[in-house]
Amino acid sequence: DGGITQSPKYLFRKEGQNVTLSCEQNLNHDAMYWYRQDPGQGLRLIYYSQIVNDFQKGDIAEGYSVSREKKESFPLTVTSAQKNPTAFYLCASSRVGALLRETQYFGPGTRLLVL
Amino acid sequence: KNEVEQSPQNLTAQEGEFITINCSYSVGISALHWLQQHPGGGIVSLFMLSSGKKKHGRLIATINIQEKHSSLHITASHPRDSAVYICAVYLYNTDKLIFGTGTRLQVFP
Repeated sequence: DGGITQSPKYLFRKEGQNVTLSCEQNLNHDAMYWYRQDPGQGLRLIYYSQIVNDFQKGDIAEGYSVSREKKESFPLTVTSAQKNPTAFYLCASSRVGALLRETQYFGPGTRLLVL
Repeated sequence: KNEVEQSPQNLTAQEGEFITINCSYSVGISALHWLQQHPGGGIVSLFMLSSGKKKHGRLIATINIQEKHSSLHITASHPRDSAVYICAVYLYNTDKLIFGTGTRLQVFP
């Protein structure tokens, strides 16, 4: 079955710690995205990548970093510089970038909590 | 003011009722997404449309580009339809997707 997997489902971060959220897709999609969801707000774009070894900042990239070394994988690191990391993180992918209006497919999400 | 507004924010219904969720936007768009988010958090794409009307099972989505408005209708609602429904628009001539805050629907038996 094709789809997007995210792990872990729940993640706990201590003060000053970097944590990495995993996102893998086997849909052969070119584009991948990371979103953050907070209560009462719409999803906000953190980073996106339209091709391997290239990625662009979204609206709220500060305190986050990504890499895209393989087409299937787009890990997100939440660094200690992100002062309010508690949120629900969603990864998505699409066949090409949204300029061509392709449907985005979402993973199940990772809930990050600060200890 | 948000660029994408949904109404109502919360909606409760009895099983079998006809449901309408509205989405208005204030920017130029190339397409509009309706998404469903289940209580566990996973999001499923329901429709993507840029004009007219689309139907899938008991779900119908319409869009009026001139009025900058879209509606999602659910006919013969069922408790399993209980979820958050999210409207998102592709900003015209960019690769940016802007999301509404969602409508929480609860359907009671």
